[in-house]
Amino acid sequence: GNSVTQMEGPVTLSEEAFLTINCTYTATGYPSLFWYVQYPGEGLQLLLKATKADDKGSNKGFEATYRKETTSFHLEKGSVQVSDSAVYFCALIGNYGNQFYFGTGTSLTVIP
Amino acid sequence: DTEVTQTPKHLVMGMTNKKSLKCEQHMGHRAMYWYKQKAKKPPELMFVYSYEKLSINESVPSRFSPECPNSSLLNLHLHALQPEDSALYLCASSYSGRGMGKLFFGSGTQLSVL
Repeated sequence: GNSVTQMEGPVTLSEEAFLTINCTYTATGYPSLFWYVQYPGEGLQLLLKATKADDKGSNKGFEATYRKETTSFHLEKGSVQVSDSAVYFCALIGNYGNQFYFGTGTSLTVIP
Repeated sequence: DTEVTQTPKHLVMGMTNKKSLKCEQHMGHRAMYWYKQKAKKPPELMFVYSYEKLSINESVPSRFSPECPNSSLLNLHLHALQPEDSALYLCASSYSGRGMGKLFFGSGTQLSVL
């Protein structure tokens, strides 16, 4: 079956620190992988995505590379800002069907 | 227009009330979804409509009744809810019901059941 495993939070970082949030997946076939971000009181927004092995998704300074050999899609940012404080969800969607599978979410707080 | 619009943003209801949540998108998406999200948890899929037909029901209790009147609208009718149904209800849509598209989410309806 399909599933996503995310690192436990919460994560607290100082401004300008380096961020990594780990995500690994289990899937049949060739899933598409996503990172969504949820700010307080809002719905989820797509942050970045990758649809095939070795693709790198990037947006707003965040990056993640689809690694088929390690079944991973870790989220990274070189220098976080206070405005990056949010909950980050790793997700996948399989080739068949229309179910998205979400990880448990990682809460990030960036302090000045 | 790249938005999914949900109304109302907040709803408080008693256990005997009947209410409806509404969702609208004008992106031409043919798959629409209802998710339930409890605090500090990931969204849980409830229903999926593909081309206006219910394609997935994740064993949701019958007190939740979805409706898709047309390709742009999705409703969730609520009746005789329980306090544990209090949550953020998120609507989403995607280009394709075949699992290749990305999800666009609304801001959600924060529901409190008293």
